[in-house]
Amino acid sequence: QSVLTQPPSASGTPGQTVTISCSGSSSNIGIKSVNWYQQFPGTAPQLLIYRNIHRPSGVPDRFSGSKSGTSASLAISGLQSEDEAVYYCAAWDDSLNGRVFGGGTKLTVL
Amino acid sequence: QLQESGPGLVKTSETLSLTCTVSGGAISSYWWNWVRQPPGKGPEWIGHIYFSGSTNYNPSLKSRVTISLAPSKSQFSLTLSSVTAADTAVYYCASSNYYDSKLDYWGQGALVTVSS
Repeated sequence: QSVLTQPPSASGTPGQTVTISCSGSSSNIGIKSVNWYQQFPGTAPQLLIYRNIHRPSGVPDRFSGSKSGTSASLAISGLQSEDEAVYYCAAWDDSLNGRVFGGGTKLTVL
Repeated sequence: QLQESGPGLVKTSETLSLTCTVSGGAISSYWWNWVRQPPGKGPEWIGHIYFSGSTNYNPSLKSRVTISLAPSKSQFSLTLSSVTAADTAVYYCASSNYYDSKLDYWGQGALVTVSS
């Protein structure tokens, strides 16, 4: 049972926009920034979005993040086949005094 | 760049030890993290250490975990005692600028299997 809650799966067709949600609480997302990671099979997670809305250099602007209250979202527009991956949200939890992750959302491009 | 190293197989009840070697940058002024990922599951943060030696650990693992730093070798290490099959996972080392900020650089990961 992950501290941050994500839907286990999401899907869309090429060109569509898909949104992945991440629900937390007042001890994590409610007071701390959310980061998103993208993971392909057999590789390490890679930073996709940081401090809720910022993209590292090299990440296409098709990826965007948002946060409201104790929830955050990752939106992927103009969906492409290479976006098929597992997406994780993460944040610091002040009550646990540690980092927490979501369970991950497997994105399928139909 | 970060690179994990250590045994890929550990016996039940023994101690798991991994080392992360940091290259291409100073080991000072960063937080150095360990994250693990059991097969088919999401990542789990194990803990981190600051170059000053300050540490934080996941409460669920705290009684069994030690993270230490060897700045002269540009390395930091993880030990996890009394392992069971539930500790089988890919173990990653990662860096962050602040204790609660993004994990921006990751190692490639090291699979550790616990078996009797």
